[in-house]
Amino acid sequence: AQKVTQAQTEISVVEKEDVTLDCVYETRDTTYYLFWYKQPPSGELVFLIRRNSFDEQNEISGRYSWNFQKSTSSFNFTITASQVVDSAVYFCALSEAMLGNQFYFGTGTSLTVIP
Amino acid sequence: DTAVSQTPKYLVTQMGNDKSIKCEQNLGHDTMYWYKQDSKKFLKIMFSYNNKELIINETVPNRFSPKSPDKAHLNLHINSLELGDSAVYFCASSQDGGPGGNTIYFGEGSWLTVV
Repeated sequence: AQKVTQAQTEISVVEKEDVTLDCVYETRDTTYYLFWYKQPPSGELVFLIRRNSFDEQNEISGRYSWNFQKSTSSFNFTITASQVVDSAVYFCALSEAMLGNQFYFGTGTSLTVIP
Repeated sequence: DTAVSQTPKYLVTQMGNDKSIKCEQNLGHDTMYWYKQDSKKFLKIMFSYNNKELIINETVPNRFSPKSPDKAHLNLHINSLELGDSAVYFCASSQDGGPGGNTIYFGEGSWLTVV
C-alpha cells in the first residue's frame, strides 16, 4: 500500500492564481514526520518544510502555507499568488519514528504556472 | 558552499561499462544515502550509511556497490551498466539515522544515460 499519496499528477494554473497540492499519508506510528520537497526543472531536490505529528499548527512562509490535519491524514501545500518560478515537481514525504530515517516519498505533483 | 555535492552531474556511457559517482557532504551529518529517480520521477532509496556503516540496503542489483571511506563521503560504483540503469541518482545526507524525522538534504543529482 502506498504510504504517501499525491493524487494530483499534474496541475496547471495561470500566474497569480492560488493552488493547493494534496498529500495524504498512511501510518500506524504515533510519532511521524512529514516533509515537502520541490524539484524545479533544473533537477535538484530542495527541502521546503518538516512537520512532526504532534504539531498540527498550520505554517505560513511567504506565499507558501501548509495545512496539517491528522483527522484526515493530510498535509496539503498551498501556494498563494503563484509565479512562474513555482513551476516544479513537488514531493510529499513521510518518515516514521519506528523505522529510523527511512523516507516514503509520494509520486510527486508536477505544477506548471502559465504566465 | 554546496552542502551535498556529487560528481559528475552528467554521465553518458555505453552498456557494459563500469562507472562511479562521487558524493561529499560538508554538513557534518552522520547519515548518507543514495536515491534513484526514474523517468517517472519516482524516488527510491537504494542505500543508507550511518557513520560509514551500511544500515539500509534495498533490493538493488549487486552491480551497484556503495563505498563510504568516511562519514562525509559516500560513493556509488556501478558495474556492467545496463540500459535500465539510466536514471538520476541523488546523494543525500541527514543528521542522524536514529528515531526518524531528520531532514534529508539532497545533492543536485547525477544524470546517468546508458547507451
